[in-house]
Amino acid sequence: SAVISQKPSRDICQRGTSLTIQCQVDSQVTMMFWYRQQPGQSLTLIATANQGSEATYESGFVIDKFPISRPNLTFSTLTVSNMSPEDSSIYLCSVEGSGTNEKLFFGSGTQLSVL
Amino acid sequence: GNSVTQMEGPVTLSEEAFLTINCTYTATGYPSLFWYVQYPGEGLQLLLKATKADDKGSNKGFEATYRKETTSFHLEKGSVQVSDSAVYFCALNKWNDYKLSFGAGTTVTVRA
Repeated sequence: SAVISQKPSRDICQRGTSLTIQCQVDSQVTMMFWYRQQPGQSLTLIATANQGSEATYESGFVIDKFPISRPNLTFSTLTVSNMSPEDSSIYLCSVEGSGTNEKLFFGSGTQLSVL
Repeated sequence: GNSVTQMEGPVTLSEEAFLTINCTYTATGYPSLFWYVQYPGEGLQLLLKATKADDKGSNKGFEATYRKETTSFHLEKGSVQVSDSAVYFCALNKWNDYKLSFGAGTTVTVRA
């Protein structure tokens, strides 16, 4: 199994500012995923981050709002830009499991509150 | 598109009670089905999975059977413990797709 370290674990931010969330994996993975879990709701995939190419965003999410970096096979960042209270959520990093396309491993998440 | 409908919570049980969390899905083709668990303060962990009809996934005393005829994947445990208190998510993906579609999650609290 992969060990995923996500930072920060939580933050309280002011409206209009930006926050960058880091995701570090203890092994090389091709695909990394960023999910959002809004209060009382299910997880929603924001984007897929592949090393060496631009991230692929899901419907309703755009690069200007959620820029993603993937500089190598063990690291990715997600930035939440120009935040508003509606961005208050848990943001989760996820990576593919090795040897199968059916298992994902998740980080412990970043609890973001926007005032 | 793919979607998952999960029994709403919260669910509160006494220790040793029987737990069932209903999950039904809508999908094209033959998805794989999963239950993830999120313990307080931790990330999501895969609890069990099933990849084809009539498969039964099991782990830590939990079971779920892939029922194609009823498009369901209900989670059950015969005797819950306080340590089973968590949020449980039903999810699916297509066999060749890493993207998961999640249910809304069910919060389970087990009281001693």
